[in-house]
Amino acid sequence: DAGVIQSPRHEVTEMGQEVTLRCKPISGHNSLFWYRQTMMRGLELLIYFNNNVPIDDSGMPEDRFSAKMPNASFSTLKIQPSEPRDSAVYFCASSLRQGGYEKLFFGSGTQLSVL
Amino acid sequence: DAKTTQPNSMESNEEEPVHLPCNHSTISGTDYIHWYRQLPSQGPEYVIHGLTSNVNNRMASLAIAEDRKSSTLILHRATLRDAAVYYCILRSPGSGGSNYKLTFGKGTLLTVNP
Repeated sequence: DAGVIQSPRHEVTEMGQEVTLRCKPISGHNSLFWYRQTMMRGLELLIYFNNNVPIDDSGMPEDRFSAKMPNASFSTLKIQPSEPRDSAVYFCASSLRQGGYEKLFFGSGTQLSVL
Repeated sequence: DAKTTQPNSMESNEEEPVHLPCNHSTISGTDYIHWYRQLPSQGPEYVIHGLTSNVNNRMASLAIAEDRKSSTLILHRATLRDAAVYYCILRSPGSGGSNYKLTFGKGTLLTVNP
């Protein structure tokens, strides 16, 4: 299994531009998570999906952020317009939820720099 | 959400055992205790989890206190590749009843000296 695949690995953009981060979860997994990591705030959960349905988006910072999961094998996180404070590493993770236990598998992350 | 408390950093020598503590005094009866670690420039990876009994796997052991208010991750022989941030996490119930999410704290930065 190739694991969770994120693209791009690095993204440099200018303030005001639209940014789209992509994630391919592990085949067969039914939950998907988007996290953001910065030095100041650590790892923050932005949103998570179960069976392609957004369950909890309370961590999404503001309306500039949106996430979609059109099918079980693909998800996007979009920032429009981007701002310098959005600079961070964005991780996607997937899991197979079975009862009370699940193991998250993380991708390698997308390093986003907004100038 | 139930909180965890971990030391900010710990240091160990290669080939020696490492005991990483975690306090979770407000843990609920159904909360699982999860440990993840994050190697430099990588995403977090699962290490181990448990509910009430001690657990062992190829990576580590998890010792859970009888009252479940604390736990210890044990690396039996630390290697340089074990240098990472270790997160102790309680599974929190999210919105929607049966759906859960993992909330990461600051973790413990483990340094392994050669």
